[in-house]
Amino acid sequence: DARVTQTPRDKVTEMGQEVTMRCQPILGHNTVFWYRQTMMQGLELLAYFRNRAPLDDSGMPKDRFSAEMPDATLATLKIQPSEPRDSAVYFCASARGAQGWDTEAFFGQGTRLTVV
Amino acid sequence: QKEVEQDPGPLSVPEGAIVSLNCTYSNSAFQYFMWYRQYSRKGPELLMYTYSSGNKEDGRFTAQVDKSSKYISLFIRDSQPSDSATYLCAMSGQLTFGSGTQLTVLP
Repeated sequence: DARVTQTPRDKVTEMGQEVTMRCQPILGHNTVFWYRQTMMQGLELLAYFRNRAPLDDSGMPKDRFSAEMPDATLATLKIQPSEPRDSAVYFCASARGAQGWDTEAFFGQGTRLTVV
Repeated sequence: QKEVEQDPGPLSVPEGAIVSLNCTYSNSAFQYFMWYRQYSRKGPELLMYTYSSGNKEDGRFTAQVDKSSKYISLFIRDSQPSDSATYLCAMSGQLTFGSGTQLTVLP
């Protein structure tokens, strides 16, 4: 049963600490998205990659957030230093994108981040 | 103004009711239109997608797209308590989501 795996599921950290979230996309998917979900803002696109190359990270606060794909099986989202306003659920999604846009993105279960 | 606006809800209906969920968008470049369903503490899952204007039916669900008005809808017939979830519209190219409508179907 192919699925997107995110770790950790829950993370509580103190303000100022570094947070790293990991995502294993579905094997064979070449497009990876990072989203942040809050009650106020809904689901916001932070960044997305195709074939491990960042295509758009304009939704991400550059001063503290960074996203990478060290290899095709791992995507990471890092926050340094973390702030209470970063508290949210962070979702990773993957898709089999070719030219143009593929139709279905599969989401992981999310990482619930709380910064105190 | 956001590129995708969705009726915020929440929406509460009795079992068996017809539910209508709606989104508007401003970007004419959007080509694919999708509806995702998200249960509590889960990631969103694709429910339906469509490319062209018109209706697409899948069981109790009908997706409707009007590109001229930049308006999309999802209709749920004979709603069931198991349909209780948050419904999010989404649009390509970068998979931009609406804010979601929380639906509760009361038995």
